[in-house]
Amino acid sequence: NAGVTQTPKFQVLKTGQSMTLQCAQDMNHNSMYWYRQDPGMGLRLIYYSASEGTTDKGEVPNGYNVSRLNKREFSLRLESAAPSQTSVYFCASSEALGRARYQETQYFGPGTRLLVL
Amino acid sequence: GDSVTQMEGPVTLSEEAFLTINCTYTATGYPSLFWYVQYPGEGLQLLLKATKADDKGSNKGFEATYRKETTSFHLEKGSVQVSDSAVYFCALRGLQGAQKLVFGQGTRLTINP
Repeated sequence: NAGVTQTPKFQVLKTGQSMTLQCAQDMNHNSMYWYRQDPGMGLRLIYYSASEGTTDKGEVPNGYNVSRLNKREFSLRLESAAPSQTSVYFCASSEALGRARYQETQYFGPGTRLLVL
Repeated sequence: GDSVTQMEGPVTLSEEAFLTINCTYTATGYPSLFWYVQYPGEGLQLLLKATKADDKGSNKGFEATYRKETTSFHLEKGSVQVSDSAVYFCALRGLQGAQKLVFGQGTRLTINP
């Protein structure tokens, strides 16, 4: 049981380049999330997918797109990378059953460190 | 909107010292409260949680009590070890916007032998 996996672990891009961050979970969770972590700011939600086939914007969605490919996979795409997108990106998932979903634990992947020059 | 405020770090302690990391929150209703830990080079792991007022979450010797009257969820441990060195995040998940965790800025803890 690998939990939440992310690829790549580290990436360097030049301004204007595009790339896709991959995320997969093997816990049969319904909801998946993308966060970014910046120094002194905790984690901020970029996009989430409440269930397969749905995606919604989070707190900081500008410059990103997402795809919920199937129940297991949720990718994050940077179409034209900017230095402001230098960050550590975390994918997470949760079971999201019923009305008590706000009590549920989110499980995090190991992160992707992205540097945009 | 919902928010979480943690005590600023970094915090440096000697082994076997008592630890408190303060966390206060602003939210409507009764959110769920979490402490996550991030060890060097790793992702976040759930340390403990509490889902209603007066609940105490505990794990690995760490404890935190959900205090509605003071809107706090302070993390405590009676005797820290070098292996506790990590970044600790307080977070909440509210009834509104329940899809996301709202994080504090994190507190870096270093334990010296």
